[in-house]
Amino acid sequence: KAGVTQTPRYLIKTRGQQVTLSCSPISGHRSVSWYQQTPGQGLQFLFEYFSETQRNKGNFPGRFSGRQFSNSRSEMNVSTLELGDSALYLCASRSGRARYPYQETQYFGPGTRLLVL
Amino acid sequence: GIQVEQSPPDLILQEGANSTLRCNFSDSVNNLQWFHQNPWGQLINLFYIPSGTKQNGRLSATTVATERYSLLYISSSQTTDSGVYFCAARSGNTPLVFGKGTRLSVIA
Repeated sequence: KAGVTQTPRYLIKTRGQQVTLSCSPISGHRSVSWYQQTPGQGLQFLFEYFSETQRNKGNFPGRFSGRQFSNSRSEMNVSTLELGDSALYLCASRSGRARYPYQETQYFGPGTRLLVL
Repeated sequence: GIQVEQSPPDLILQEGANSTLRCNFSDSVNNLQWFHQNPWGQLINLFYIPSGTKQNGRLSATTVATERYSLLYISSSQTTDSGVYFCAARSGNTPLVFGKGTRLSVIA
C-alpha cells in the first residue's frame, strides 16, 4: 500500500497570502489529522476529520481551516499568512480496530515545509 | 486537557549503549503511542501501548497506566536510531497530545 502523501513538499509564501496544503491518506483509511510542528511549540494538533466530518479542532485561529472529501483526501487552508505560520505541517491517517483488542496506528506523511517571508 | 511530559530532553549515546526514555501523562489514557522522527522529519509509529509491554527487535516499551507513565527502551543503539522520540497520548475521543520529545544522538 502507498503511504500517506502530502503536496507540495516545500512552499515559500509572503505575509498576507493564503496557502492550501493537500493530504492523501493510506487507501482505506477514513480518518485524517493535521499537525503543525515548530521548534518552539513542538507538535500541535490542528484538526481531525473522519468521513468528511470534523471530529476535533485544535486551538488555532480561524485563519486555519480544513476539509475532507468523499475519497478521504484532505486539504487545509491558511489565509492571511503570518511569519509565525512558518512550520512543518504534518498529516496523518489512522488505522484502527474497533473491536477488542483495540489497536490504533497513526501513519504520518512526509510533511509540507512552509516558509512565510 | 491531558499533559504529556518526556524526559530527558536530550540524550547522547555511544553506539552499542542502551537507553531508557520516559513519558509521564497527567490523566488516564486509552491511547498511548511512541513515534520516532528521523532527521528528515518523517514520523514513524513505533508502538501503540496504552498498557502492558511490547517488544519489536531492539526496541521495547512498557506502560504502567495506573501510575501514568510509559518507558521506551532502546538496546544496542545504532547511529540510525538518532532522531527525536515522541510520546503521544489521548483520553477518549480527544485529540492525540504529543510530548516535546527526546532528541537522541548516537555517536559511532
